Amino acid sequence: QKEVEQNSGPLSVPEGAIASLNCTYSDRGSQSFFWYRQYSGKSPELIMFIYSNGDKEDGRFTAQLNKASQYVSLLIRDSQPSDSATYLCAVNRVGFQKLVFGTGTRLLVSP
Amino acid sequence: EAQVTQNPRYLITVTGKKLTVTCSQNMNHEYMSWYRQDPGLGLRQIYYSMNVEVTDKGDVPEGYKVSRKEKRNFPLILESPSPNQTSLYFCASSPETSRPYEQYFGPGTRLTVT
Repeated sequence: QKEVEQNSGPLSVPEGAIASLNCTYSDRGSQSFFWYRQYSGKSPELIMFIYSNGDKEDGRFTAQLNKASQYVSLLIRDSQPSDSATYLCAVNRVGFQKLVFGTGTRLLVSP
Repeated sequence: EAQVTQNPRYLITVTGKKLTVTCSQNMNHEYMSWYRQDPGLGLRQIYYSMNVEVTDKGDVPEGYKVSRKEKRNFPLILESPSPNQTSLYFCASSPETSRPYEQYFGPGTRLTVT
């Protein structure tokens, strides 16, 4: 079982719709959760992080964390074609000085 | 401009020819790390450094060396590259060793070993 799992996609949504990206993790000791966006040929860019159960909103982005079910999700409201990218979920475990990344979900937003 | 820089950005080399990929950050970050990214495998950590002269192995350290003699620089060394090290490499840095997760990535180095 992979430590961090994501559906590779592509997830296709029309412009203006809500895109929902999901991530599950296997280690219950995981404490911090991150979403990175990576455009094709570019480096990952941190867009959201969440530490506590519940929702965290930042502009059009909402991160949701459910530690009991071991999943974290990212919602993108009013999706734009410029949101088309691969979204990487990353998890940090207490006491471990590293992030573990999922393989990413490719999002395609069509005009 | 705050940034992480890597050089070279693209490199084609032959098996066994030693190479170094440089990484430098101008943000006074303590934590630095190297990753490789491969299709279907995602980002995997090679080595990381908590501070000057402090380095440790990540998940895939075999075939790589690093050094941290200055806070700003963290070069990745391939003593004898092999074709299975063909990959996209990213250097990253983070402002606090207690929170080595808000990582900022360099632009990447695409390495091909023939």
